Amino acid sequence: EVQLVESGGGLVKPGGSLTLACAASGFNFTSTWMTWVRQAPGKGLEWVGRIKSKTSGGTIDYAAPVKGRFTISRHDSKDTLYLQMNGLKTEDTAVYYCNIGPKYWGQGTLVTVSS
Amino acid sequence: DIVTTQSPDSLAVSLGERATLNCKSSQSVLYSSNNKDYLAWYQQKPGQPPKLLFYWASTRESGVPDRFSASGSGTDFTLTISSLQAEDVAVYYCQQYYTTPWTFGQGTKVEIK
Repeated sequence: EVQLVESGGGLVKPGGSLTLACAASGFNFTSTWMTWVRQAPGKGLEWVGRIKSKTSGGTIDYAAPVKGRFTISRHDSKDTLYLQMNGLKTEDTAVYYCNIGPKYWGQGTLVTVSS
Repeated sequence: DIVTTQSPDSLAVSLGERATLNCKSSQSVLYSSNNKDYLAWYQQKPGQPPKLLFYWASTRESGVPDRFSASGSGTDFTLTISSLQAEDVAVYYCQQYYTTPWTFGQGTKVEIK
């Protein structure tokens, strides 16, 4: 059974940093392209970025609002995906989901950016 | 970037009646080499992650009731609930995964009239 479990969310002040993790199991993580999607409270879904598998080149793409501030990485030997978020803004407040688009989604972890 | 637009924003339908949701992309999401439309439909209920209903525009995900159907190709797509049930109250999203940034529609909220 595919499982994606996000962790690392919490309250952080504007300008601060936070790193989210997504622990994966039940599939071949090494060969899978992984994605982060977020959802601000009461709002729609927003794609954050994607990392390809290393065998596909490991290319990382980011959405414009997070490019230069967020970094997606993967640790294949730990079956874990990461989202390092720097320079956080209040508009980054959201539930962050990791997913294997479009089929498999984690339950999400809430990030709140507030002073 | 491909802009994905859904209509209407909200929809109130009587139990047992048909609900029709629309999704339009600003450019074609049909990949000619495999003749597949890179479009998905999701259902989301409060406090839950999105649940995949259809991928490749019209391929039903396992376990999705057959009162749900999806159609369309290129830039215009439709999700239909043939006989609305109480458990179908949710927000429905379409998403193109043809090219990054993958983009979602703004959602259609389906309610009971």
